Amino acid sequence: AQSVTQPDIHITVSEGASLELRCNYSYGATPYLFWYVQSPGQGLQLLLKYFSGDTLVQGIKGFEAEFKRSQSSFNLRKPSVHWSDAAEYFCAVGPLSGPGGYNKLIFGAGTRLAVHP
Amino acid sequence: GAGVSQSPSNKVTEKGKDVELRCDPISGHTALYWYRQSLGQGLEFLIYFQGNSAPDKSGLPSDRFSAERTGGSVSTLTIQRTQQEDSAVYLCASSLVGSDYGYTFGSGTRLTVV
Repeated sequence: AQSVTQPDIHITVSEGASLELRCNYSYGATPYLFWYVQSPGQGLQLLLKYFSGDTLVQGIKGFEAEFKRSQSSFNLRKPSVHWSDAAEYFCAVGPLSGPGGYNKLIFGAGTRLAVHP
Repeated sequence: GAGVSQSPSNKVTEKGKDVELRCDPISGHTALYWYRQSLGQGLEFLIYFQGNSAPDKSGLPSDRFSAERTGGSVSTLTIQRTQQEDSAVYLCASSLVGSDYGYTFGSGTRLTVV
């Protein structure tokens, strides 16, 4: 069955430090992969997505992610974290075939990032 | 509209009462999704609309939950006889079917059942 695992529930980093958030997936074909960010009291905002081609994808706010098929991973990285990056981050995989052929995504449980000054 | 709008942003209700949550998707987005986010949990899929029809209702947790969409636009999620375990953030998202598969999410409705 398709699934997404985010092994780290909470991560704390110092401002200016580098960041890597892990995402592992189980999917029967070449997946489409997404990272979303949720600031407190807000909805989810798309950071970046991978469909095909270059396995290193660039997103907004200075984030990037690398697709590694051999490891079934799509880890999110940022070279230098800012205090405003404190939020919850969700990895998602799709598309799953649903009735009507729609684009169902499965989301991980999220990683909450805290940033120390 | 410019984004996905959800109302109310917060709702506190007494156990046993009915509630209605509203979602106004991006204009032209034919696909609409409802997800539930419980404390410390990921996003749980509830229902998907394509136009006004709901081909996939597999995530609705019980028959107390229902949803409809009218005019291919606004959707309402109704929870009857609310229970404390219904307390969660209910997120709505919309997308163009067959495009880039990314969803645009609303800010959610935080439902608290007391």
